[in-house]
Amino acid sequence: GENVEQHPSTLSVQEGDSAVIKCTYSDSASNYFPWYKQELGKRPQLIIDIRSNVGEKKDQRIAVTLNKTAKHFSLHITETQPEDSAVYFCAASPSLGGSYIPTFGRGTSLIVHP
Amino acid sequence: ETGVTQTPRHLVMGMTNKKSLKCEQHLGHNAMYWYKQSAKKPLELMFVYSLEERVENNSVPSRFSPECPNSSHLFLHLHTLQPEDSALYLCASSQEGVNTEAFFGQGTRLTVV
Repeated sequence: GENVEQHPSTLSVQEGDSAVIKCTYSDSASNYFPWYKQELGKRPQLIIDIRSNVGEKKDQRIAVTLNKTAKHFSLHITETQPEDSAVYFCAASPSLGGSYIPTFGRGTSLIVHP
Repeated sequence: ETGVTQTPRHLVMGMTNKKSLKCEQHLGHNAMYWYKQSAKKPLELMFVYSLEERVENNSVPSRFSPECPNSSHLFLHLHTLQPEDSALYLCASSQEGVNTEAFFGQGTRLTVV
């Protein structure tokens, strides 16, 4: 099955700095890579996603890059703000007989200091 | 609200009790999932139901028993649990056949005493 590794487990930055979270995956059949943000006491929610036919995608202060050859993808947050503090999860979804079952990384706890 | 509702939000149960967790989705999705979230394994897949049939059982102990009576409802029946089963149990749904995001419920915080 798919195996997703995520680093770092904890990331502490000053407000205004950039933050980068990296993930690798093992199954070359994976073709959908979402990123979820989970604030304390709340459910994980999608913030951005990328498909395997695209190398980069940007949405305001967040961007995601994908390198299919190397099987890694990254989340970039620029001009971080305290409200960006949360746990971020990457995921990869290979097809399993027509089902797309996301496998999640272990999460990165991002702390943005004001 | 994401359209996925879980009840109860909090549950405390003894090791000899039997209880059930409920998940309901109003998004018209046809795939539903149970995840366990704990400090050890942040998002651990337990069960997947696609078109009301179980397609994945991720080596989960038999004291957890899922049920999917229709595409909108998913249950997790619990019996003779252990203290290490204490965790946040998250339900999610997505649309089968289309590789898109999973929508999560708020979760049930389970404490086994």
